[in-house]
Order: sequence, then C-alpha cells, then structure tokens
Amino acid sequence: ETGVTQSPTHLIKTRGQQVTLRCSSQSGHNTVSWYQQALGQGPQFIFQYYREEENGRGNFPPRFSGLQFPNYSSELNVNALELDDSALYLCASSSRTSGTNEQFFGPGTRLTVL
Amino acid sequence: GDSVTQMEGPVTLSEEAFLTINCTYTATGYPSLFWYVQYPGEGLQLLLKATKADDKGSNKGFEATYRKETTSFHLEKGSVQVSDSAVYFCALSDRGYSTLTFGKGTMLLVSP
Repeated sequence: ETGVTQSPTHLIKTRGQQVTLRCSSQSGHNTVSWYQQALGQGPQFIFQYYREEENGRGNFPPRFSGLQFPNYSSELNVNALELDDSALYLCASSSRTSGTNEQFFGPGTRLTVL
Repeated sequence: GDSVTQMEGPVTLSEEAFLTINCTYTATGYPSLFWYVQYPGEGLQLLLKATKADDKGSNKGFEATYRKETTSFHLEKGSVQVSDSAVYFCALSDRGYSTLTFGKGTMLLVSP
C-alpha cells in the first residue's frame, strides 16, 4: 500500500510569485485535505476535496485554490505569494467510505517566500 | 467554532519518567479525538484516537481517554524513551467532513 506523497520537498519563491504543490493520495482514498503549518504552530485547515470538488474551506483567502483529479491526486495553488505564506504545507488523504474520519498525512512541502 | 488547547512546552523529562500532556477541547456535537506525533523534519503520524466518550485510545505505550464531562483528552505514557522526543498534537474532527482542528502542539524532549 502506497502512502501519501507530496512534491516538491522544498521550494523557495519570492513575493508576488505563484506556486503549485502536488499530492498523491493513499491507495483507496477519495478525499484530500490541505493544511498549512506555520513554524511552531499546529496545522491549519485550508480546504478539502472530494470527488473533484471543493468540500469545505478554512479561513484562507481566494488566492489559495486547489484541484483534485480523477485519480484523487490533488494540487494546491497559491497566487500572489506573501511572506506569511512561508510554512510547511501538509496534504492528508482519507476515505469517505471507510466509516472513520482518520486522515493520513504526507511528509509535507516546505515553502519559503523571500 | 471548534478549538483545541494544549499545554505549552517544551516538556523536558528524563528517560523512564511518566508523561502527561494535557489537552482540552471545545466543540459542538460529539467529535472524534486524536493525538498526532511529528518527528523533526517529518509530517504527522497518527498516534492514537478515540471516537466516543469514555473510549481509551492506546498505541506504543501511549494512552488517552475521551472525557466528555471535562472535555479533555490527556496523553499519558508510563515510561518515556529518548526516541519519544517529538512534537505532539491534539486534534478533533467533526464527524461530518473529517477535517481536523489542531492544538498548537507540545514539544517533548527526553534526555538519557
């Protein structure tokens, strides 16, 4: 069974640029959630995708957007990067059909905005 | 809205000491409760969970009991090891959408 994978591992961007982060969900999982973890903080929920549609969103501006593909993999896009967007971005996959709400996390992408 | 409050760290212990990390929550309804662990430079790993009141989650010597009357889910371990050094996050999940609300995390440092 393949776990959740994310790419790239690290990324450095400058203010105003755009970035795309990628996530492959665990085999058999149909739901992907994205979280932002600032240094020294707990992860904050950004949004969730189920059946290729956004299905719940946290307190993040519209410049944070995403996609889910038919194979359940997902992308997180951030436009007009700000310094405060520097964080570890975590992807988690889960299965709506499993009857539990357990999420499995990837290793994260460390984004640095200069 | 939902929220989770954890004791601030770092918690510094000697090997074989008893560990308690306090966690309380605020939620509407009856959430599921989780403890996740994050080792340096890594993502989050589920440590244990409890889905209803009075349930006890346990794994790798760690335990936590879902206490509805005190809205708490304290993490305990009888004898910590150096390898337990990590950041521990308490979290809750609304049953409807399975999104997680996390506490700020508690760093545990165990010395030999």
